[in-house]
Amino acid sequence: GAVVSQHPSWVICKSGTSVKIECRSLDFQATTMFWYRQFPKQSLMLMATSNEGSKATYEQGVEKDKFLINHASLTLSTLTVTSAHPEDSSFYICSARDLRALNTGELFFGEGSRLTVL
Amino acid sequence: TQLLEQSPQFLSIQEGENLTVYCNSSSVFSSLQWYRQEPGEGPVLLVTVVTGGEVKKLKRLTFQFGDARKDSSLHITAAQTGDTGLYLCAGGSQGNLIFGKGTKLSVKP
Repeated sequence: GAVVSQHPSWVICKSGTSVKIECRSLDFQATTMFWYRQFPKQSLMLMATSNEGSKATYEQGVEKDKFLINHASLTLSTLTVTSAHPEDSSFYICSARDLRALNTGELFFGEGSRLTVL
Repeated sequence: TQLLEQSPQFLSIQEGENLTVYCNSSSVFSSLQWYRQEPGEGPVLLVTVVTGGEVKKLKRLTFQFGDARKDSSLHITAAQTGDTGLYLCAGGSQGNLIFGKGTKLSVKP
């Protein structure tokens, strides 16, 4: 199956700093990638849809200036949490849609990135 | 607004028991996927169903897509401790994927 890789897996940062998380599709091209946030024992909450070469589409309630998304190539999207605060601590997951699976909408997920803001 | 309701939300069973997880909606989906997620990891795709009434088997897991493509079920036979995890259903429609809230399964030895 298609492989999506996230980096870093774990990150601890001080309050007020910015953190960048990368999401790469390793063996396929993805014009669209998705970023989710997941709190303990809960399901995925879609934050934004990242479109290659254009601006991301943010879900209601997600601050675009706080969660910066860049999708510069068909295999890489980045999420930058700016001026992080403890309440931003969470598990962030990306997913990508293989161009060859557009009809079924199958998504392939990264391993997730655990952010802890002190 | 399209919604996917999963039930039960939590399920704790003994190894060897059978179980069924349900995913229901009032909306029609072009496809439906089931994912399993283990703590600290991203979801992993288990199966995709696209045809109403379709049944797919993956070892001890049986997936069914409702005739009207509004609901799906996941049945696990003789559950094992390795089946423990969060099971998510997701419905595809017009290029979007909508997730249910998940069923947290715990299989005890």
